[in-house]
Amino acid sequence: EPEVTQTPSHQVTQMGQEVILRCVPISNHLYFYWYRQILGQKVEFLVSFYNNEISEKSEIFDDQFSVERPDGSNFTLKIRSTKLEDSAMYFCASSYTRPTNEKLFFGSGTQLSVL
Amino acid sequence: AQRVTQPEKLLSVFKGAPVELKCNYSYSGSPELFWYVQYSRQRLQLLLRHISRESIKGFTADLNKGETSFHLKKPFAQEEDSAMYYCALRGGSEKLVFGKGTKLTVNP
Repeated sequence: EPEVTQTPSHQVTQMGQEVILRCVPISNHLYFYWYRQILGQKVEFLVSFYNNEISEKSEIFDDQFSVERPDGSNFTLKIRSTKLEDSAMYFCASSYTRPTNEKLFFGSGTQLSVL
Repeated sequence: AQRVTQPEKLLSVFKGAPVELKCNYSYSGSPELFWYVQYSRQRLQLLLRHISRESIKGFTADLNKGETSFHLKKPFAQEEDSAMYYCALRGGSEKLVFGKGTKLTVNP
């Protein structure tokens, strides 16, 4: 089965630094998402992306966050100035169609540690 | 507000025993409900969705709108069922709202 690929698997950064988390969604998928899970807490929605624009975002996704699909295959999440509370596992996901009862395919995640 | 509650953080059963992982939700409209599973060192993957009314790996889940529940059941647990199970809801938007998850351990 095709997979969503995320790199790196672990990222350590200093507070205030910019980080870019990378994802390669499944090739024929059209809808892309970022979720995150702070240790011991729920998986939380951050943002959805379709047709080169954000289609929905949560209150977590503030001005420090941005997403981009720079080259038709990668899907990136940028955190401009990381805070300690950004430490979490970040999951990328994709789906082929609009997510009404649609299966999401998740990547294996990037563990971000902000020191 | 959309909310998913999984009351059990940990659930431990013996192989061959029935298992039920509880999920309750809060949503005023018609929800789409899912169970996702994460096996050790693997990615989150869809186990089943209520609209399909399917049985996957022997698991079933029935949406009970009166009780606002979507409990996951399996009559005879297997050791390979040990995993983290997440109930999730989608309600009228693109985001999935997850519960905190239940860690199921099936003992030999």
